Amino acid sequence: KAGVTQTPRYLIKTRGQQVTLSCSPISGHRSVSWYQQTPGQGLQFLFEYFSETQRNKGNFPGRFSGRQFSNSRSEMNVSTLELGDSALYLCASSLVSLSYEQYFGPGTRLTVT
Amino acid sequence: QQQVKQSPQSLIVQKGGISIINCAYENTAFDYFPWYQQFPGKGPALLIAIRPDVSEKKEGRFTISFNKSAKQFSLHIMDSQPGDSATYFCAAGYFGNEKLTFGTGTRLTIIP
Repeated sequence: KAGVTQTPRYLIKTRGQQVTLSCSPISGHRSVSWYQQTPGQGLQFLFEYFSETQRNKGNFPGRFSGRQFSNSRSEMNVSTLELGDSALYLCASSLVSLSYEQYFGPGTRLTVT
Repeated sequence: QQQVKQSPQSLIVQKGGISIINCAYENTAFDYFPWYQQFPGKGPALLIAIRPDVSEKKEGRFTISFNKSAKQFSLHIMDSQPGDSATYFCAAGYFGNEKLTFGTGTRLTIIP
């Protein structure tokens, strides 16, 4: 079974630009969560999508948004990039069963200059 | 009340020894406690997880000990090997909510 895939793996953007990251969950998984990982703040929850609806949201500004498609693939968008948005963005998928185990992708390394 | 505190920040253990990483949580509503292992350049990988209805769970060389009254849980790695060198994260979540709150991570180094 293929794991969670994320594209692109690396991205360099300029302050003020916007960026879209993509995540394909494990086949059959219907929930996709996004996390930001930085050395200073660690892993922080951004939001979670299930059946194309945002179910949970972390404490991030409105510049961070996402969506999920009918095939469970998800995209995350960050507008008006700031230097502090430089981070590893991870997505995780889960079956949404009683075990609710989450499996992470390799992440997209975003650098904002 | 959502914090998960993890210690130590870094740990050096001799090959064959026992590695112990501790976490404490505040929110008593948490009922799911996973541990993740992350290698450089990779995403976190689920290692082992526990629910509060048991005090211990063992999978191979990895054991989670859970103390509900103290709101603490720990990861024990027995017979630690150089391949275990990685960053370990504890996390906490609760039923019906896919959001996980993570600890700050422990960088584990196993020396020969």
